[in-house]
Amino acid sequence: GENVEQHPSTLSVQEGDSAVIKCTYSDSASNYFPWYKQELGKRPQLIIDIRSNVGEKKDQRIAVTLNKTAKHFSLHITETQPEDSAVYFCAAGKGPESSNYKLTFGKGTLLTVNP
Amino acid sequence: ETGVTQSPTHLIKTRGQQVTLRCSSQSGHNTVSWYQQALGQGPQFIFQYYREEENGRGNFPPRFSGLQFPNYSSELNVNALELDDSALYLCASRPTGTGELFFGEGSRLTVL
Repeated sequence: GENVEQHPSTLSVQEGDSAVIKCTYSDSASNYFPWYKQELGKRPQLIIDIRSNVGEKKDQRIAVTLNKTAKHFSLHITETQPEDSAVYFCAAGKGPESSNYKLTFGKGTLLTVNP
Repeated sequence: ETGVTQSPTHLIKTRGQQVTLRCSSQSGHNTVSWYQQALGQGPQFIFQYYREEENGRGNFPPRFSGLQFPNYSSELNVNALELDDSALYLCASRPTGTGELFFGEGSRLTVL
């Protein structure tokens, strides 16, 4: 089955700096890679996702890059703000259009943005 | 507001007991999946239901079972509870054909 590794497990940055979180996956058939943000005591929420036919996607201060050959993808947050502090999870899945699709999550990265 | 609600929010059980967790999915979301999130870990896929039938299962034993009902509600049942079953159990629904999971707030189970 799919295996997703995520690094680092914790990341501390100063407000305004950039943060990068990296993930690798094992199943070359995976074609959908979302990122979820989970604030303390809250539900995970999707912040950005990318399909395997795209190398990069950007949404304001957040961007995701995908390298299919190396089977790794990364989350980039620029101009970090204290409200970006949360646990971020990467995930990999195949065939989100299918009825039996599932996601395999990484172990998460605790991002702390210091004012 | 994602519209996915779970109950109870917290519960404590003893080893060997049985538990039922409930989820109410967002209207129109035909697919519901359940994830187990141990402390400090990512969500781990338990199983998924589509149109009231299980159509995908993760690496969990048969004592984890579920049901999905026509009114967008679902249940996760766990028999013969073990200490390692202590975790946050997340229900997630999605419209068929899309990848985004809409999670509930979770049910935190403690097994003593």
